[in-house]
Amino acid sequence: DADVTQTPRNRITKTGKRIMLECSQTKGHDRMYWYRQDPGLGLRLIYYSFDVKDINKGEISDGYSVSRQAQAKFSLSLESAIPNQTALYFCATSDRGQGETQYFGPGTRLLVL
Amino acid sequence: EDKVVQSPLSLVVHEGDTVTLNCSYEVTNFRSLLWYKQEKKAPTFLFMLTSSGIEKKSGRLSSILDKKELFSILNITATQTGDSAIYLCAVEGRGGGSNYKLTFGKGTLLTVNP
Repeated sequence: DADVTQTPRNRITKTGKRIMLECSQTKGHDRMYWYRQDPGLGLRLIYYSFDVKDINKGEISDGYSVSRQAQAKFSLSLESAIPNQTALYFCATSDRGQGETQYFGPGTRLLVL
Repeated sequence: EDKVVQSPLSLVVHEGDTVTLNCSYEVTNFRSLLWYKQEKKAPTFLFMLTSSGIEKKSGRLSSILDKKELFSILNITATQTGDSAIYLCAVEGRGGGSNYKLTFGKGTLLTVNP
């Protein structure tokens, strides 16, 4: 079984809709991250969490919110989706004791019409 | 502002060639540099580098870090079509209000033709 899972894997939605992307991990890591990837721009950090009570904004947090429901779960919400949020979204985890080696989920491909 | 620049942005070679991918960086309080390989799915970890001049190897891949000149290279010898992927460089820094930052480059798209 995969250590980091994301649901859904693909999603099409309309402008203005609220959607949630979910991430679960079985690695027992404290740290979890949400990134988006756009062609030509690489990976950009949206939010990160170092433990259940610690949530931090990343480089491009506007228009997004997150919830760390448990050590193993970190969800990303788009309150009112807009077309420029069309992207590939990745969740990642890392263990505090192992530097910053991050382990990525399979990604969620989101299309906002 | 932290910055990670990879070059070239894309590269096309033939099987058997040797390639060198470059990553230069400017980051506050450098901690580590990481290389990832991304095919048609999520990035997978290749190397983490923290010390200058110490080469890390994994099969045909190797990488080295120069903390004085602020760059790293990723070498792939005897390339195979399965090496075709985007190679991402990321640098961890510390400092500022967030106390953490991992900055990714835009990646190098490597295409290995038979």
